[in-house]
Amino acid sequence: GENVEQHPSTLSVQEGDSAVIKCTYSDSASNYFPWYKQELGKRPQLIIDIRSNVGEKKDQRIAVTLNKTAKHFSLHITETQPEDSAVYFCAATSGNNNDMRFGAGTRLTVKP
Amino acid sequence: DAGVTQSPTHLIKTRGQQVTLRCSPKSGHDTVSWYQQALGQGPQFIFQYYEEEERQRGNFPDRFSGHQFPNYSSELNVNALLLGDSALYLCASSLLMRGEQFFGPGTRLTVL
Repeated sequence: GENVEQHPSTLSVQEGDSAVIKCTYSDSASNYFPWYKQELGKRPQLIIDIRSNVGEKKDQRIAVTLNKTAKHFSLHITETQPEDSAVYFCAATSGNNNDMRFGAGTRLTVKP
Repeated sequence: DAGVTQSPTHLIKTRGQQVTLRCSPKSGHDTVSWYQQALGQGPQFIFQYYEEEERQRGNFPDRFSGHQFPNYSSELNVNALLLGDSALYLCASSLLMRGEQFFGPGTRLTVL
């Protein structure tokens, strides 16, 4: 089955700096890669996703890149703000969308 | 347009008891997935329901069972509760074959 690894487990940046979180996956059949943001005590919220037919996707300050050959994908947050502080999870699943595997999470802290 | 809802919000049970958690999917969605999220970890896939049938199951014992109703809502049942079953139980709804899964607020289960 799919195995998703995520690094780093914790990340601390100054407000305005960029943050990068990296994930690797094992199943070459995986073709959908979402990123979720989870604030303390709240539900995971989908912030951006990418499909395997696309190499990069951007939404304002957030971007995701995918390298299918190397089986890794990354989340990039630019101009970080204190409200970006949360735990971020990457995930991977196949087109059947019936078994989404999550990384262990990255706790991002943005210092004002 | 209502999002994904879950009930109850919190639940306290003792070892050996049984519990039922409920989930109503986002309007227009037909697929419900259940996840267990232990403290400090990523969500772990339990199973997914579509057309009132279990499509896929993660690495969870038979003590975990579920059901989906004709209105697409779903239940998660856990029998013979163990201390290790204490976690946040999340359901996520989606359209079959579409990647985007949207999470409910979760049910915090504590087993004493």
